[in-house]
Amino acid sequence: QKEVEQDPGPLSVPEGAIVSLNCTYSNSAFQYFMWYRQYSRKGPELLMYTYSSGNKEDGRFTAQVDKSSKYISLFIRDSQPSDSATYLCASNNNAGNMLTFGGGTRLMVKP
Amino acid sequence: KAGVTQTPRYLIKTRGQQVTLSCSPISGHRSVSWYQQTPGQGLQFLFEYFSETQRNKGNFPGRFSGRQFSNSRSEMNVSTLELGDSALYLCASRDEWASRTYEQYFGPGTRLTVT
Repeated sequence: QKEVEQDPGPLSVPEGAIVSLNCTYSNSAFQYFMWYRQYSRKGPELLMYTYSSGNKEDGRFTAQVDKSSKYISLFIRDSQPSDSATYLCASNNNAGNMLTFGGGTRLMVKP
Repeated sequence: KAGVTQTPRYLIKTRGQQVTLSCSPISGHRSVSWYQQTPGQGLQFLFEYFSETQRNKGNFPGRFSGRQFSNSRSEMNVSTLELGDSALYLCASRDEWASRTYEQYFGPGTRLTVT
């Protein structure tokens, strides 16, 4: 079993919909939680970063972490076709750079 | 600032050969990490270098190695290539002195195909 699990999708939604992307993790030592977005033929880019439990909002994006249930979520409001990409959740502990990634969820937002 | 650059972008090699991939981090970033991305296994951590020293290593065989130079540029080497080494190899750099020290910036990757 992987330490970070993510539904691969694809997830197809109409433009303007609210998108919910989720991950679960098993390593209790994870303290830092991130969401990356990866467009085709590009490297991942950091969208959201959260330390420990709680919510964080940035524009149309909201990240939630529930450490009690080991559940990570990313919500995208008013989704746009330009949001079509693969979304990767990632976590690590205090051990520097070593990120553990979920497998990624492919999102398609249709005009 | 220029982003993370990786060369070459695409590479085709034959089983048994070796390959060297190069990564130039963002100017001022001294931490460089390497990841392998495959459809089956996703993104997996290979190793991390800081100030020319390997600081962390993922669960990959010894055929995978790397190094970092004094200008923070990094190379990774894969010897005795296997078909399963076909993947996108991503490099990421980080500014350890920034307030958002955990923010990693990824390059576009090197697509390696082993035939």
